[in-house]
Amino acid sequence: EVQLVESGGGLVQPGGSLRLSCSASGFTFSSFAMHWVRQAPGKGLEYLSAISTDGDRTYYADSVRGRFTISRDNPKNTLYLQMSSLRPEDTAVYYCIVSMDVWGPGTTVTVSS
Amino acid sequence: QSALTQPASVSGSPGQSITISCTGTSSDVGSYNFVSWYQHHPGKAPKLMIHEVSKRPSGVSNRFSGSKSGNTASLTISGLQAEDEADYFCCSYAGRDTYVFGTGTKVTVL
Repeated sequence: EVQLVESGGGLVQPGGSLRLSCSASGFTFSSFAMHWVRQAPGKGLEYLSAISTDGDRTYYADSVRGRFTISRDNPKNTLYLQMSSLRPEDTAVYYCIVSMDVWGPGTTVTVSS
Repeated sequence: QSALTQPASVSGSPGQSITISCTGTSSDVGSYNFVSWYQHHPGKAPKLMIHEVSKRPSGVSNRFSGSKSGNTASLTISGLQAEDEADYFCCSYAGRDTYVFGTGTKVTVL
């Protein structure tokens, strides 16, 4: 069974940093593009970032470009999202997705002083 | 990109059929046959119900069907059941490795 489990969320002050992880199992991780999506409280989903199978190609939404970095460790079957210069508007549930198909349950990030 | 437009809520009685629309533009829904629909129960992982406009993944009930006309995609749930009560959102490929999501629709079974 394909499974994704996000971790690393929590409370962080504005301007701070956080690294999210997404542990994958049940499929050949290195063969699939991976994505990060978030949903702020009471708002819709926002497509944030993507990374190719080998990590050579990445995409970032304008709202996070220059502040967030997506990466992957294929031998460890893990996807990452390094978030820096965090703002209150980054408060959201963050989801990792494989091939825009299977989603993890999400991890909550709260940016507040 | 702007979010795809969905009705905020749709409701129906058990056994009825409901349709949720997802309106985009010629840059996303209208250009690509890569529209997906997801069912989301709060606190759980969203579940893929339809991909590539009208294809149902294995294990998804055939009560769920998808279609597209121009810049608008639709999800129809027939034979509505209590377990179908959830949030539903659409997603379209928008070119250049990007995707855009719908605003989300809350389905209520009366």
